[in-house]
Amino acid sequence: EAGVVQSPRYKIIEKKQPVAFWCNPISGHNTLYWYRQNLGQGPELLIRYENEEAVDDSQLPKDRFSAERLKGVDSTLKIQPAELGDSAVYLCASSLAPNQPQHFGDGTRLSIL
Amino acid sequence: GESVGLHLPTLSVQEGDNSIINCAYSNSASDYFIWYKQESGKGPQFIIDIRSNMDKRQGQRVTVLLNKTVKHLSLQIAATQPGDSAVYFCAENRNFGNEKLTFGTGTRLTIIP
Repeated sequence: EAGVVQSPRYKIIEKKQPVAFWCNPISGHNTLYWYRQNLGQGPELLIRYENEEAVDDSQLPKDRFSAERLKGVDSTLKIQPAELGDSAVYLCASSLAPNQPQHFGDGTRLSIL
Repeated sequence: GESVGLHLPTLSVQEGDNSIINCAYSNSASDYFIWYKQESGKGPQFIIDIRSNMDKRQGQRVTVLLNKTVKHLSLQIAATQPGDSAVYFCAENRNFGNEKLTFGTGTRLTIIP
């Protein structure tokens, strides 16, 4: 089966600019996650979706970050405006259900100049 | 505070030998644990999982052991190969009814040819 697909793979922008990441989960996976991974650390959850509903966004910095999963399949994560500290790898994962193995995409590496 | 941690940040193993990667967790109520492998430039790859009602689970060349008494998790890789070189993360599911994986920092495994 096809894995989780993310795009773009790399993004370089200047601070204060907007940026968006896109994720296509594994077919049939109702649960979708966005993580941020800083260099040398494990992924940290930003938001979790059950179908189109965001059921856990407690770690999402809502002043500048937003996400959507309008039809319960693909998802986008947006940062506006980006700050230097946002440089990281943004990972998307999906699972059949919340307490099932999560499968990750290869992420988008964001660099803020 | 609560944490998912690893005993060793780096581990070097001779090709063909067995390797053991250890992980300590502090929340005795965690009920689900996963090991991930992450190669450079890629997302975490699911290796094996175990639930708290089990002590041991085996996969292809990998075994996960769970010791709930001392809150310890280990990943054993048999007959290591160069392709096993990567960073390995353990993750625990901490929030019940609001599933959330928390990742440790990771251990870098290097296989010496």
